Amino acid sequence: SQELEQSPQSLIVQEGKNLTINCTSSKTLYGLYWYKQKYGEGLIFLMMLQKGGEEKSHEKITAKLDEKKQQSSLHITASQPSHAGIYLCGADRTGTASKLTFGTGTRLQVTL
Amino acid sequence: GAVVSQHPSRVICKSGTSVKIECRSLDFQATTMFWYRQFPKKSLMLMATSNEGSKATYEQGVEKDKFLINHASLTLSTLTVTSAHPEDSSFYICSARVSQGNYGYTFGSGTRLTVV
Repeated sequence: SQELEQSPQSLIVQEGKNLTINCTSSKTLYGLYWYKQKYGEGLIFLMMLQKGGEEKSHEKITAKLDEKKQQSSLHITASQPSHAGIYLCGADRTGTASKLTFGTGTRLQVTL
Repeated sequence: GAVVSQHPSRVICKSGTSVKIECRSLDFQATTMFWYRQFPKKSLMLMATSNEGSKATYEQGVEKDKFLINHASLTLSTLTVTSAHPEDSSFYICSARVSQGNYGYTFGSGTRLTVV
């Protein structure tokens, strides 16, 4: 069974609109990573969160990790066509940074 | 910094042949690398952890004899798909953990394998 669930699975938003993607785990997350992928290409690192309640921002993207360290959200403000792609949350669930496993992914389309 | 180069980006091979995919860390040493497989419109599935100088650790359900991993140096890990079949066609991506900075894990650009 998939241990990291992302929602929604796909999302179509109009340019300029805000959006949020969620990543939920049934187990404690020791490290939560957000990546973006263009289909058929490698992953682009967005942010890493480790502490409960932590929030980080880069340009128009903000990511948060909840206090219990079991859920993270990625928020994009004023979306642009360049934001389109697949967003993946990845988690280190062992606390030893031994390996990274991924959520189900969210496919984002931004319309003009 | 922290760049991983993956080669080739695309490969087409005949059924029954073997294909080798290389993953190199260009500006850092990677004692541990990871190999993922991605099916169309799906997320990344971890196949194995490649450890420099020792045997790879495979995830449950991944055939060790089908997907041979070699990590002979601190900058190079290879994945060989042996006796490839059409069902092995997929997108394969490697990754390395970056200890410095705040990158976490850095990824190669991926290899699209098509077995005909």
